[in-house]
Amino acid sequence: NFMLTQPHSMSESPGKTVTISCTRSSGSIASNYVQWYQQRPGSSPTTVIYENNQRPSGVPDRFSGSIDSSSNSASLTISGLKTEDEADYYCQSYYSGNPGVFGGGTKLTVV
Amino acid sequence: QLQLQESGPGLVKPSETLSLTCTVSGGSISSSNYYWVWIRQPPGKGLEWIGTIYYRGSAYYNPSLKSRITISVDTSKNQLSLRLSSVTAADTAVYYCGRQVYSSGWHIDYWGQGTLVTVSS
Repeated sequence: NFMLTQPHSMSESPGKTVTISCTRSSGSIASNYVQWYQQRPGSSPTTVIYENNQRPSGVPDRFSGSIDSSSNSASLTISGLKTEDEADYYCQSYYSGNPGVFGGGTKLTVV
Repeated sequence: QLQLQESGPGLVKPSETLSLTCTVSGGSISSSNYYWVWIRQPPGKGLEWIGTIYYRGSAYYNPSLKSRITISVDTSKNQLSLRLSSVTAADTAVYYCGRQVYSSGWHIDYWGQGTLVTVSS
């Protein structure tokens, strides 16, 4: 069993790049795929990254995902920030018997 | 285009049972490639996985809720259901249903719009 830990909040300016981390508490981050969901206020979550680094159709290439075994974490990087990127972001992974391990979420402010 | 729609009472009294239904349209709940999931989000808080079920009935439940949860699928109606017993104010949340792709990291590729359930007398 493991937990996923995200920073509670981050803030960056339009046009800049931000990287949100998702650290796995035990076991290797490379062992199980990580997904990233964006949730704007009042809306359901939508996928921005799945299988560590895959973008669904329609998600701009400003969004990218990666994993880093040295820090045992996954990262979501958003480049060329836009005000519309302001949202909550959640990472998600799984282990045997539990397909729904979520990070606590990161509130991204773009100002 | 797959669509999921949650429905059920918006207000439930403490100690009673919360019952929700998720109607799937634009696709079959009996597809062999997918599982179906319930997730909740208390006001102002993060996402919490409740449970995941396959159309044939095999299911995974959040251990912290397992004793109070029943998740089922009705293939004839293309619906999945959630029952949560002995509710308290802590169960107040927006409840989402979704489709999970087990072959893709248990990725949730479709979500319902969510329904707010308030537990209060």
